[in-house]
Amino acid sequence: AQSVTQLDSHVSVSEGTPVLLRCNYSSSYSPSLFWYVQHPNKGLQLLLKYTSAATLVKGINGFEAEFKKSETSFHLTKPSAHMSDAAEYFCVVSDRRTGTASKLTFGTGTRLQVTL
Amino acid sequence: KAGVTQTPRYLIKTRGQQVTLSCSPISGHRSVSWYQQTPGQGLQFLFEYFSETQRNKGNFPGRFSGRQFSNSRSEMNVSTLELGDSALYLCASGPGTSGGDTQYFGPGTRLTVL
Repeated sequence: AQSVTQLDSHVSVSEGTPVLLRCNYSSSYSPSLFWYVQHPNKGLQLLLKYTSAATLVKGINGFEAEFKKSETSFHLTKPSAHMSDAAEYFCVVSDRRTGTASKLTFGTGTRLQVTL
Repeated sequence: KAGVTQTPRYLIKTRGQQVTLSCSPISGHRSVSWYQQTPGQGLQFLFEYFSETQRNKGNFPGRFSGRQFSNSRSEMNVSTLELGDSALYLCASGPGTSGGDTQYFGPGTRLTVL
């Protein structure tokens, strides 16, 4: 079984300040972990993905996330927020064993607000 | 490479009707998954098709069904629509080799049931 907990439903930051969106996961198997972003009335865009190659994963638009197995966490960070980062962010887990069916389990989402 | 496309983008139906949504995956992808997104329940997995076979299914009633064609295009059908079926329906495609594959999402179909 797999699950994801996004610890904050809403985060507000000022433009130019750091962003931290928190995610804890639970998985019976070695997981793949993802962060997706959804802008209003849009589909989901992949920000970054963790498999097992490196614990620090760099994504698009300056985002990165660190996989910490001991803490079962996969927090998303960005050094400096931009107005265009305002959106809904989803932490996602899946079972990455070869041959398994593709099924993503989503967290409840964190709405990021960026103010001037 | 073209992305995942979904048609139609918007639909308005009345209770009791049925609806069919279509998804064309990225070229070369053999797996197509469907998700329902609502404000109350968030993003929930409906089912996944791989090589024309349903490989995985979420916890939805039998009114929700799907199929996949030999060119990997997929359709989702909802019969006897209920008000609670109003949602954004998202389709995702991937290679289908493992559950860890990256899934690429389409823009979604917004279904409103009156």
